Amino acid sequence: GNSVTQMEGPVTLSEEAFLTINCTYTATGYPSLFWYVQYPGEGLQLLLKATKADDKGSNKGFEATYRKETTSFHLEKGSVQVSDSAVYFCALSTIGGSQGNLIFGKGTKLSVKP
Amino acid sequence: DGGITQSPKYLFRKEGQNVTLSCEQNLNHDAMYWYRQDPGQGLRLIYYSQIVNDFQKGDIAEGYSVSREKKESFPLTVTSAQKNPTAFYLCASSMGGARTDTQYFGPGTRLTVL
Repeated sequence: GNSVTQMEGPVTLSEEAFLTINCTYTATGYPSLFWYVQYPGEGLQLLLKATKADDKGSNKGFEATYRKETTSFHLEKGSVQVSDSAVYFCALSTIGGSQGNLIFGKGTKLSVKP
Repeated sequence: DGGITQSPKYLFRKEGQNVTLSCEQNLNHDAMYWYRQDPGQGLRLIYYSQIVNDFQKGDIAEGYSVSREKKESFPLTVTSAQKNPTAFYLCASSMGGARTDTQYFGPGTRLTVL
């Protein structure tokens, strides 16, 4: 079946450090891939997405590239800020079964220290 | 402003009670979703609806019910049959049910059983 695996947290970084959060997936067909961010006590916000192989999604300094050969969609940021502290979810969406359904990883909590 | 509203923000339920969580969207989206979030886990799909007067069970529908009488509204009822309802509930909507569509989330309702 379809699934998403992302690195377990928590991840603690100092301000201006480089961030990588790994995400790999298993899916039939050609999924779309998403990164969502959740701040404490809030709903999820779309951070970026990619809908086909080799696409790069980017937003607010975050980037992720859809790698079909390695079934990965790792999230990166060159210089994190305290305001980036949140939980990050990798997700995929594919046709079939629950059409349009998002399948989520378990989330990675990021804490950035000043 | 267009968006998704959920109410109430916090909800307390006694044993044996049914409670209804509200979700309204003014994005003119056809598809709406309900997810459940538990600590340390990703989101799990409860129900989804692609069109008015039609909805489908997700992965964890037991003990829940929904209706979709209007395009903009998708209320979720947590029944007494749901044995462990304490969780954070998130409503989402998307333009349609295509795999490339972005799902937009509301701020969530935190349900606690007393």
